[in-house]
Amino acid sequence: EIVLTQSPGTLSLSPGERATLSCRASQSVSSTYLAWYQQKPGQAPRLLIYSASSRATGVPDRFSGSGSGTDFTLTVSRLEPEDFAVYYCQHYGLSPPTWTFGQGTKVEIK
Amino acid sequence: EVHLVESGGGLVQPGGSLRLSCAASGFTFSNYWMSWVRQAPGKGLEWVANIKQDGSEKYYVETVKGRFTISRDNAKNSLYLQMNSLRAEDTAVYYCARGGGKGDGWGQGTLVTVSS
Repeated sequence: EIVLTQSPGTLSLSPGERATLSCRASQSVSSTYLAWYQQKPGQAPRLLIYSASSRATGVPDRFSGSGSGTDFTLTVSRLEPEDFAVYYCQHYGLSPPTWTFGQGTKVEIK
Repeated sequence: EVHLVESGGGLVQPGGSLRLSCAASGFTFSNYWMSWVRQAPGKGLEWVANIKQDGSEKYYVETVKGRFTISRDNAKNSLYLQMNSLRAEDTAVYYCARGGGKGDGWGQGTLVTVSS
């Protein structure tokens, strides 16, 4: 069973700053099956990045994903006010096709 | 545009049952795996179950196996989650999501509260 560990738990930053979020897998995973989601209070999650580095439709290019093997990163180049939220990484398996989420990183206004 | 609307949540006593529904529109429902994900109050996301396009394959998180059943009706563009033997720890917002891989469309969720 793959376990995803996100760090830090909370990131306190100011608008305009760069955010770097980490997701570490307990064993090597294919980057094809690694995604990132954004969730704001009272809202459903929103897909940001899939296949580790591909932006979902409508996602601003200030969001980027990278990584391979066990270490993946979500970067927000310059934080906008609407980017303060909780971010989750997700692995989707093939056999069986189950989902695993990290515990989340909260990006809060400093 | 993907549009998913969950319903059926509510307050139920421990040991009780509920059936959640998810009405889909804006895409060809029968072409996609579908999933249920839940979120306990103040906690993170937990995948619950998913189902193949034709319903021939279903998968569950270990903690709900034998108690929850996922199903779909492609003629009605609907996804379901039958939840039996509910426990306090099943209290959560339940989301339906499009996809068996990346979840590229989500409903707004329905709250299930298990309490006496």
